[in-house]
Amino acid sequence: GQQLNQSPQSMFIQEGEDVSMNCTSSSIFNTWLWYKQDPGEGPVLLIALYKAGELTSNGRLTAQFGITRKDSFLNISASIPSDVGIYFCAGQGNSGTYKYIFGTGTRLKVLA
Amino acid sequence: EAQVTQNPRYLITVTGKKLTVTCSQNMNHEYMSWYRQDPGLGLRQIYYSMNVEVTDKGDVPEGYKVSRKEKRNFPLILESPSPNQTSLYFCASRSQGLNNYGYTFGSGTRLTVV
Repeated sequence: GQQLNQSPQSMFIQEGEDVSMNCTSSSIFNTWLWYKQDPGEGPVLLIALYKAGELTSNGRLTAQFGITRKDSFLNISASIPSDVGIYFCAGQGNSGTYKYIFGTGTRLKVLA
Repeated sequence: EAQVTQNPRYLITVTGKKLTVTCSQNMNHEYMSWYRQDPGLGLRQIYYSMNVEVTDKGDVPEGYKVSRKEKRNFPLILESPSPNQTSLYFCASRSQGLNNYGYTFGSGTRLTVV
């Protein structure tokens, strides 16, 4: 099945640093979502994007819907230890069952 | 509280012994879905349901069955589990159409088949 290319796969950063990750697809999407999964838990929605070019923030998190509609970016500013986890992007097409496609995840580890 | 509840959280079973993982949501969502999560492979969809009595295969349906007799419940059935079905499983639900807020996920079921 189709999957999104998400990068990087994993990253170690120092507390206080900014973090960037992205997802790219060969398909156009109408919706981009960003989820975070804490260890031992299910993914939780962080940010939803519905329009090309849209830039949306949620606290220290900022995500953008790429203008080509084939990519999205998530930035985390001033990282803290509780940011550790796996971040997933998900894209939704505009036809059929409006299925969501998930990225393979970015594992973030924050060093205090 | 709006949530997706799946049980059990942890399960160890033997090859070939039928099992069911239950899933229930209290948000009146039309769509429900099962995913499995394996290292390096992200979330892969097993089966999904668009409403009561309407189900379809996802990307990795082999070895699994589902049913949707009621809107709130969507159990995952493994008729004859095998070791390659050892994985972390998530049930999720969402409303239909575009511009929804994506899936709400359960807390996961970690299955080990020996």
